[in-house]
Amino acid sequence: EVQLVESGGGLIQPGGSLRLSCVASGFTFNNYNMNWVRQTPGKHLEWVSGIGPAGYTTYYPDSLKGRFTISRDNSKNTVYLQANSLRAEDTAVYFCAKGRGGAAFDAWGQGTMVTVSS
Amino acid sequence: QSALTQPPSASGSPGQSVTISCTGTSSDVGAYNYVSWYQQHPGKAPKLMIYEVNERPSGVPDRFSGSKSGNTASLTVSGLQAEDEADYYCSSHAGSSAVFGTGTKVTVL
Repeated sequence: EVQLVESGGGLIQPGGSLRLSCVASGFTFNNYNMNWVRQTPGKHLEWVSGIGPAGYTTYYPDSLKGRFTISRDNSKNTVYLQANSLRAEDTAVYFCAKGRGGAAFDAWGQGTMVTVSS
Repeated sequence: QSALTQPPSASGSPGQSVTISCTGTSSDVGAYNYVSWYQQHPGKAPKLMIYEVNERPSGVPDRFSGSKSGNTASLTVSGLQAEDEADYYCSSHAGSSAVFGTGTKVTVL
């Protein structure tokens, strides 16, 4: 059974930084793209970043380039999201999602809540 | 990249069909046959229901079907059941990125 377990969320002040982690199990981790997707309090879904199987290729929407960095450690079956210069509008549940190609995400974690507030 | 446009709500009685639209542009929905649909129940993570416009992952009932014409994709749920009541989101490949729809709440009357 595929499992994705996120951690690292919490309350952070504006301008602060956070590192989210996602531990994967139940599939051959280094064969798949991995992604982060967030859901705002208004329930909008937004793709945040993606990373290729070997970790050499990363993808971001233009709106988040420069503040967010995705990485992975295939020896630990873990994908990370480093989020810097956080703003109130970054407040969301952050999901880790396994890619199946063509921007489809066929397994999701339970999510970790990030709240940016003073 | 702007969000894909979905109607805020849709409804139908048990046994009926409901169709949800997802409108994008020639840079996303219209450019690729990589449209996906997700079902989300309250407090749960999204679940992939359709990928590549009309393909169903293993375990998804064949009551769920997808299609696309031009810049608009559609999800049809036939034979509505109580457990189909949920939020539904579309997504599309958009070059080197992905874009989601605004979401549709489906109510089973």
